[in-house]
Formats: sequence, C-alpha cells, structure tokens
Amino acid sequence: DTAVSQTPKYLVTQMGNDKSIKCEQNLGHDTMYWYKQDSKKFLKIMFSYNNKELIINETVPNRFSPKSPDKAHLNLHINSLELGDSAVYFCASSRRGAEQYFGPGTRLTVT
Amino acid sequence: QQQVKQSPQSLIVQKGGISIINCAYENTAFDYFPWYQQFPGKGPALLIAIRPDVSEKKEGRFTISFNKSAKQFSLHIMDSQPGDSATYFCAASRDNAGNMLTFGGGTRLMVKP
Repeated sequence: DTAVSQTPKYLVTQMGNDKSIKCEQNLGHDTMYWYKQDSKKFLKIMFSYNNKELIINETVPNRFSPKSPDKAHLNLHINSLELGDSAVYFCASSRRGAEQYFGPGTRLTVT
Repeated sequence: QQQVKQSPQSLIVQKGGISIINCAYENTAFDYFPWYQQFPGKGPALLIAIRPDVSEKKEGRFTISFNKSAKQFSLHIMDSQPGDSATYFCAASRDNAGNMLTFGGGTRLMVKP
C-alpha cells in the first residue's frame, strides 16, 4: 500500500552510462515531481509534470529527462552520467496546489 | 541564489524543551510554506504547512509562525522528544509555477534525553 514508490533503491554505475529511475504513485495525484538531494542534504527541484505541462528547473542539464508512460508513473532518464550526478533522487506527487508526498529515494553513485 | 534561507544548520535541545527553526524567503510570489521532516534513509514527510493569509498555525506540538512583512516563517516544536531528532526543511512554492518546492538548507535537530 506504498503511496509513492521508487526503483531501484540503490544504483551504482560508471561514468558515461545511461540509466533510468522509476517512480509510481497510487494516490490518484495529477502532478509528479523529481528532486535531487546532494551530499550536503540540500534538496533541489528538477521537474514538475502533469498531463498538461512539464516545467523544468533551468539549472537541470538536458541529459536529464522525465518520461511519463501514464498518470501514475514518472520515470527519470539520465544520459551520459557524470560524477556530479551522484546524489539521492526523490520522486514526489500531489494534487495540484496541495501537499507533496515523497518517495523513499534512489541513491545514485557514479564511479 | 538561495531563495529560502534556513537557520540554524544544527540544533541540540534537551528533552521537553522548545526547538525553534527559522526561515526567510525572497520571492514575494510564494504562497505556500510547508515544513518537512526527514529521517536518515527516508524521504521528506510533510509536517505542517501555512499560507500567507494566516500568521500562525498549530498542529499538536508543532506550530508555524508566519510574518509576511518580514518575509520570515518559523517552526516551533514544543515539548521536544528524542523521536523528533531528524532533519527539518522549510520550503516555499507558488501554485502558478507548477507548485515546485524551493527548499531551505535544512536543520539537523538532536533532542537529548
């Protein structure tokens, strides 16, 4: 009965690889998000997405792209991984204008 | 440019004491101010939130105080307990920008027994 789930929980990969992180929510929310938490615990928004619009934080490199196969899923695809991409990535969801529920996070380590 | 500044970075409080965490924001278009609690290895969880039409909101031991003119808001945890030991984040968003949260830098709270 997990509200927002992410897979995998841990991801270790080499520089230059392409990887995806999956996110699913069973709350019936219409908006989903991706956040990045760096080693200093700082949380930063990457994307906001509903079935009508994608809003991208301008600081996010275009190597990162969200892909939504349906309303309950928002996957994060990352091309040409770099060392600086190592972080914990959180998916979240909400009804429009309401509180956001976060997933458990995916710890990405790029070597 | 950090739009939401949070202080202190760390806080140690005795059991039963009051924990106070402060945040200041720059963007006057923000219209939603939540506080999140995060335990190690877990995702942030919403504690309490406020909109700028009220100056205070209380839920159990947690109170948000909001000062619109000063562009500041704070979290008060009354009767702090060891189980409250976690990292706390303030945040702000505006609904017409996809409701994307801008977070403060976080406060690591330790409540000593």
